Amino acid sequence: QVQLVESGGGVVQPGGSLRLSCAASGFTFSSIGMQWVRQAPGKGLEWVAFIHYDGTNKYYADSVRGRFTISRDNSRNTLYLQINSLRAEDTAVYYCAKLWLYSAGWYSMDHWGQGTQVTVSS
Amino acid sequence: QSALTQPPSASGSPGQSVTISCTGTSSDVGAYHYVSWYQQHPGKAPKFIIYEVTKRPSGVPDRFSGSKSGNTASLTVSGLQPEDEADYYCSSYAGNYNLVFGGGTKLTVL
Repeated sequence: QVQLVESGGGVVQPGGSLRLSCAASGFTFSSIGMQWVRQAPGKGLEWVAFIHYDGTNKYYADSVRGRFTISRDNSRNTLYLQINSLRAEDTAVYYCAKLWLYSAGWYSMDHWGQGTQVTVSS
Repeated sequence: QSALTQPPSASGSPGQSVTISCTGTSSDVGAYHYVSWYQQHPGKAPKFIIYEVTKRPSGVPDRFSGSKSGNTASLTVSGLQPEDEADYYCSSYAGNYNLVFGGGTKLTVL
């Protein structure tokens, strides 16, 4: 069965950096696009970034472009999110999610991890 | 890119039907047939229930249905069951490689 396990979250000071990881199993990771989505405490979901199956194309939300970098290592079945210049408003649970294959485009996600908490605080 | 607009709450009794709206603009919901819906129970990851406005992935009960009119998409839950109590989120492609979510609706089964 599909499993997505995020790690790397923690408490970091404003301006700091973190690298989040998402270990994937149960499907052919190297063939499928992946997403990061975040959820601030008590708030709704916010799309963060998408990466194509081979890493050639990457898309970012305006709120994170230039500070966050999505990447993947298909040999390790792992998705990453490098987050720099952290701000208080980046405090959230960060989910990785797998692209739903049976739809045109990259707009739907059929499996989600349990998330990793990022807290930005001095 | 602004979030899509959803009512903060909705409710219904067991067996009834409830419809949750998701209002966007002519640049997102109104422009594309790429609206998805997700269900999220407290403390859990979201679950995928609708894609391309009306389609259900296998395993999702047919009590869940989606529709769209103009800039507003809707999710209808028929024959409400206690386990349907959850938060529901819509999302839409918004052009220019952007994806936008709604603010979420808390569905209460009375």
